[in-house]
Amino acid sequence: AQRVTQPEKLLSVFKGAPVELKCNYSYSGSPELFWYVQYSRQRLQLLLRHISRESIKGFTADLNKGETSFHLKKPFAQEEDSAMYYCALSGLNAGNMLTFGGGTRLMVKP
Amino acid sequence: NAGVTQTPKFQVLKTGQSMTLQCAQDMNHEYMSWYRQDPGMGLRLIHYSVGAGITDQGEVPNGYNVSRSTTEDFPLRLLSAAPSQTSVYFCASRLLNRGPQPQHFGDGTRLSIL
Repeated sequence: AQRVTQPEKLLSVFKGAPVELKCNYSYSGSPELFWYVQYSRQRLQLLLRHISRESIKGFTADLNKGETSFHLKKPFAQEEDSAMYYCALSGLNAGNMLTFGGGTRLMVKP
Repeated sequence: NAGVTQTPKFQVLKTGQSMTLQCAQDMNHEYMSWYRQDPGMGLRLIHYSVGAGITDQGEVPNGYNVSRSTTEDFPLRLLSAAPSQTSVYFCASRLLNRGPQPQHFGDGTRLSIL
């Protein structure tokens, strides 16, 4: 079975502070990891994915297979980063389903 | 290009009533899925489909039915609504080929069962 755990339901930081949203996973094969974001009153949208190894809106995430983690990081948080963040996992087969973590609400205070 | 469209946006039902949540996509995506979003539990997969005529169960399928008669549409049916089904429902779609692809989500349907 595949499982995604986001240990923090709420993370509150001040503007300009570093941010790390934690994500741990359990999967028997090689996973594909994603971070999705939901801003207030908007639909869920993809923030970044492990395979792309890109930085979106200053966020990065590195897959650590040894620790089975895919933490999301940003060196300097902005108020507009306040949102709900979901880590998600899929197998590498095209038909594999996507499993989400419980989500972390990030609040960036001025 | 509308993407993924869900209707209705809001609905209130009485226990025991039935209803269908509609989902349509215009991106020719083979893969479509339904999730429910509950506080602290993230998004849980209800049912999914990898193409017309093919559906399968996700993590929490009980109390829900789906069908996929066309590529574009993937309705979710609540046969006899229960208060435990009060939730926000999201439909999503993605391409099926070339490995796991990002999902495109609809705006959601907020459903309350009294």
